Amino acid sequence: LAKTTQPISMDSYEGQEVNITCSHNNIATNDYITWYQQFPSQGPRFIIQGYKTKVTNEVASLFIPADRKSSTLSLPRVSLSDTAVYYCLVGEPYNDMRFGAGTRLTVKP
Amino acid sequence: GAGVSQSPRYKVTKRGQDVTLRCDPISSHATLYWYQQALGQGPEFLTYFNYEAQPDKSGLPSDRFSAERPEGSISTLTIQRTEQRDSAMYRCASSLAKGPTNEQFFGPGTRLTVL
Repeated sequence: LAKTTQPISMDSYEGQEVNITCSHNNIATNDYITWYQQFPSQGPRFIIQGYKTKVTNEVASLFIPADRKSSTLSLPRVSLSDTAVYYCLVGEPYNDMRFGAGTRLTVKP
Repeated sequence: GAGVSQSPRYKVTKRGQDVTLRCDPISSHATLYWYQQALGQGPEFLTYFNYEAQPDKSGLPSDRFSAERPEGSISTLTIQRTEQRDSAMYRCASSLAKGPTNEQFFGPGTRLTVL
């Protein structure tokens, strides 16, 4: 399973764009990249998943360079309610995917 | 069901006792996952099922931990001879077998405290 590395914590302010980068140097050919969000006392919630290039949905964008050794989750115009832990997972869909330590994002007023 | 449910929500037990946790996944979901999450840490993978098959149980920390999903729907996680280090939140998630993504839907978790 590919190991992931992401910053332990990040701070931002309301209205800013936040980019969280995850490194996964030993990503395998069949692996996808998935991001989850977790609020205190709740289970993780799926944000976005991609394989290559760029994926966008209603809440975030995921940028994946050609070598796929890293990925960047982009959150546009964050609000206080985006304060949470964000996890990057790399693995083959429908098999196991392992959570890392995550990035604790704090959005300040 | 409407979402993933887990029971009990809270369990307090004494060291050495056996506990069984239950997960009821979303009814159309073939894949079911179990995670252990300590306070302030990310979820640690324990095991997963595709229907009733259990392809990977490498995350189970010891042979005191076992999981079943005999009919491919409800699953149980059993911890025998509990130890204080087993205290954690135990989370269950389910996902479709196939689809545009394998989004996992998480249940509310069972908070286990071993005294």
